[in-house]
Amino acid sequence: GAGVSQSPRYKVAKRGQDVALRCDPISGHVSLFWYQQALGQGPEFLTYFQNEAQLDKSGLPSDRFFAERPEGSVSTLKIQRTQQEDSAVYLCASSLDPRQGARGYTFGSGTRLTVV
Amino acid sequence: GDSVTQMEGPVTLSEEAFLTINCTYTATGYPSLFWYVQYPGEGLQLLLKATKADDKGSNKGFEATYRKETTSFHLEKGSVQVSDSAVYFCALLNQAGTALIFGKGTTLSVSS
Repeated sequence: GAGVSQSPRYKVAKRGQDVALRCDPISGHVSLFWYQQALGQGPEFLTYFQNEAQLDKSGLPSDRFFAERPEGSVSTLKIQRTQQEDSAVYLCASSLDPRQGARGYTFGSGTRLTVV
Repeated sequence: GDSVTQMEGPVTLSEEAFLTINCTYTATGYPSLFWYVQYPGEGLQLLLKATKADDKGSNKGFEATYRKETTSFHLEKGSVQVSDSAVYFCALLNQAGTALIFGKGTTLSVSS
């Protein structure tokens, strides 16, 4: 597609519910990143994929967070047993060439998760 | 660890005023530096970048110079427009090249 597409745009979950957030990167983009942006804060890195390989998951805040990209294109970020502190905007970004570094990132518009 | 500190907002200016948003960083070595902009309801967009000391990034009338002596990358624009109203984020690329480290963001509001 023309840009990075994320769905749903908005998600309200009851505390304890599991959620799945989807990211469709730009076709052919090798690198994919997830970030978490709490209200009034800058985005914080969660995890990084190169094709289907998850090369860095150091930013995942707990074992309730899990991300996958099984075929090297679409990625899903799953949060189990959601807590109120998980409320944030979850941003996905993709990049054609890992060697471009951040200058090649394209960000999606994000999924706003509210846990009630 | 690596970190970015930018001035708190909101910054409120009249159209055609001069803009400065301060940004300083702490990092190992000399990371690539970036300014991203987030317009209401839209995703983050790369505004400008600099990859080494003394580089000047520029775009849409915005400029920022990579100053290793002061570990700074301040954003400037000589004459702001109402359409520049947005949230601005300073960021650095970590040493592994796998993650951006962002500041908290500065909200700019420009009135006519």
